[in-house]
Amino acid sequence: NAGVTQTPKFQVLKTGQSMTLQCAQDMNHNSMYWYRQDPGMGLRLIYYSASEGTTDKGEVPNGYNVSRLNKREFSLRLESAAPSQTSVYFCASRVGLNGELFFGEGSRLTVL
Amino acid sequence: QKEVEQNSGPLSVPEGAIASLNCTYSDRGSQSFFWYRQYSGKSPELIMFIYSNGDKEDGRFTAQLNKASQYVSLLIRDSQPSDSATYLCAVNGNSGYSTLTFGKGTMLLVSP
Repeated sequence: NAGVTQTPKFQVLKTGQSMTLQCAQDMNHNSMYWYRQDPGMGLRLIYYSASEGTTDKGEVPNGYNVSRLNKREFSLRLESAAPSQTSVYFCASRVGLNGELFFGEGSRLTVL
Repeated sequence: QKEVEQNSGPLSVPEGAIASLNCTYSDRGSQSFFWYRQYSGKSPELIMFIYSNGDKEDGRFTAQLNKASQYVSLLIRDSQPSDSATYLCAVNGNSGYSTLTFGKGTMLLVSP
């Protein structure tokens, strides 16, 4: 039982390049989330998907797009990476409206 | 904009002491409250959750909630060096579907 799996774990990009962060969960959770974590800023919500087929913006959505491919998978895409997107990205999932979040191991992204 | 406030620390306590971590939140209708522990370079992991006013105990950990004061705390008894980490307070709102808002975290250092 892997829980929440993110790939890649590390990535270095040049400004303007694009990439997709992949996330999959095997806990049959309805809701999935993408957060970013920066020093001194805490965890900030980028996008979330309350259920398969729906996505909504969080606190810091600019520069990102998401796709809820199916119930298991939720990807985050950077179309044109900027140095301000250098961060650690966490995918998370939970089963209901008030439950705990289960986090993936994180993806450390550096944009040069 | 929902806000969750924590003292960034570091909070330094000697081994065996009680560590007290505090959190305030702005959304008076918030329904559920979580404490996560995050070791450096790792993903957050759930320590405790609390939904009702009062205290909830789990081993060395006690969560305290006071909705009237919009205040939630985490007490760690018999603190160990392995408890040294950043503790994140997270709050779930009261809308039909709500996201989890995190504080910036308090760093706890337990000295042997």
